[in-house]
Amino acid sequence: AQKITQTQPGMFVQEKEAVTLDCTYDTSDPSYGLFWYKQPSSGEMIFLIYQGSYDQQNATEGRYSLNFQKARKSANLVISASQLGDSAMYFCAMREGGSGRRALTFGSGTRLQVQP
Amino acid sequence: DAGVTQSPTHLIKTRGQQVTLRCSPKSGHDTVSWYQQALGQGPQFIFQYYEEEERQRGNFPDRFSGHQFPNYSSELNVNALLLGDSALYLCASSLLGTSGIYEQYFGPGTRLTVT
Repeated sequence: AQKITQTQPGMFVQEKEAVTLDCTYDTSDPSYGLFWYKQPSSGEMIFLIYQGSYDQQNATEGRYSLNFQKARKSANLVISASQLGDSAMYFCAMREGGSGRRALTFGSGTRLQVQP
Repeated sequence: DAGVTQSPTHLIKTRGQQVTLRCSPKSGHDTVSWYQQALGQGPQFIFQYYEEEERQRGNFPDRFSGHQFPNYSSELNVNALLLGDSALYLCASSLLGTSGIYEQYFGPGTRLTVT
């Protein structure tokens, strides 16, 4: 079974509007972390935001927020006030287990295009 | 402070050949992970090195091997290249951050094309 599912291959959003990128996950481990990365056409993965399974509040980093619904096993990324520079691939990833050194499992990604 | 660096940026190899990719982690980072990203897909974990030993391994054949040096830099070796090995190979280094989580920083990747 897929551990990370991103059901939106591509999304369009108008500049200055908000957009939500969906991510659902599957794990039986009570301790896990969820990550979002941005990958521009240059290829480098850029860390955006992190949510731990025991965190009570949704994570926020500037214009990025993570809508964490533990019972539904979803961790959607919300980008507010989209900018042209936000156009990129976005990947949701999960690290299972308590050890911070465990590997990340990535979803298939969502291509976001911001239109002027 | 330099980030994660990888070399070479691009390379082209022929089926059956062997290739070595290199990664220098971010300063002070002692853990290096390698990922393979095929076109249009998310990265897939290959293996991770810490204290010069392979600590975790993903579902990749033995043709994929690696090494970590005392200065924490790492190499990824792929033997008997197949067309399906064509991909972007990403290196990530990690360290326990002030946030309390192991933050993974990725390099720009090496684009390998096998013909």
